[in-house]
Amino acid sequence: AQKVTQAQTEISVVEKEDVTLDCVYETRDTTYYLFWYKQPPSGELVFLIRRNSFDEQNEISGRYSWNFQKSTSSFNFTITASQVVDSAVYFCALSENFGNEKLTFGTGTRLTIIP
Amino acid sequence: DTAVSQTPKYLVTQMGNDKSIKCEQNLGHDTMYWYKQDSKKFLKIMFSYNNKELIINETVPNRFSPKSPDKAHLNLHINSLELGDSAVYFCASSQDYGGRIYGYTFGSGTRLTVV
Repeated sequence: AQKVTQAQTEISVVEKEDVTLDCVYETRDTTYYLFWYKQPPSGELVFLIRRNSFDEQNEISGRYSWNFQKSTSSFNFTITASQVVDSAVYFCALSENFGNEKLTFGTGTRLTIIP
Repeated sequence: DTAVSQTPKYLVTQMGNDKSIKCEQNLGHDTMYWYKQDSKKFLKIMFSYNNKELIINETVPNRFSPKSPDKAHLNLHINSLELGDSAVYFCASSQDYGGRIYGYTFGSGTRLTVV
């Protein structure tokens, strides 16, 4: 069965600091997808990234970067030079391939950026 | 031009009532979903439909009945509402090309409060 663990329940950092959100997953499949979503206080789920299991290249998008390591089953998310607008709950999710598009979510990490 | 739209955004109702939440997507996706987010922010899938056919039903009480009149719409009917049904319900859609997932978009959520 698939499982996603976000061990950090809450993180607070001062604005402009870098912060890394951890995500560890479990799956028996060799083909799967990993996702990150942001849920700001307004409540919507904002898609950040999708990564398939065959692509271990790290990705950078502006201040956001993702480190995918199959050896440790981790897909960590780093925000560089954090801003107050980054305050939100961040969810990591896993989907196994071949017709099962169910997303299994972690329990989320609440990130607070202190001005 | 909203991609996945849900109505209503807020729903307050009394125990025992029957209510519906509507969802429409204009992305041309084949698969639609309902997820439930409880008071602790935990997100869990309830149902998914692919081209109007039910493919995932995750041990949801049979008071919940999804209906998909076409692949762009997936509505959720809830009978005999209970206090424990209070949650935020998210609709989502995705597209699968030969086993590869492209896009997984969520609606803005419907906050259901049962009193």
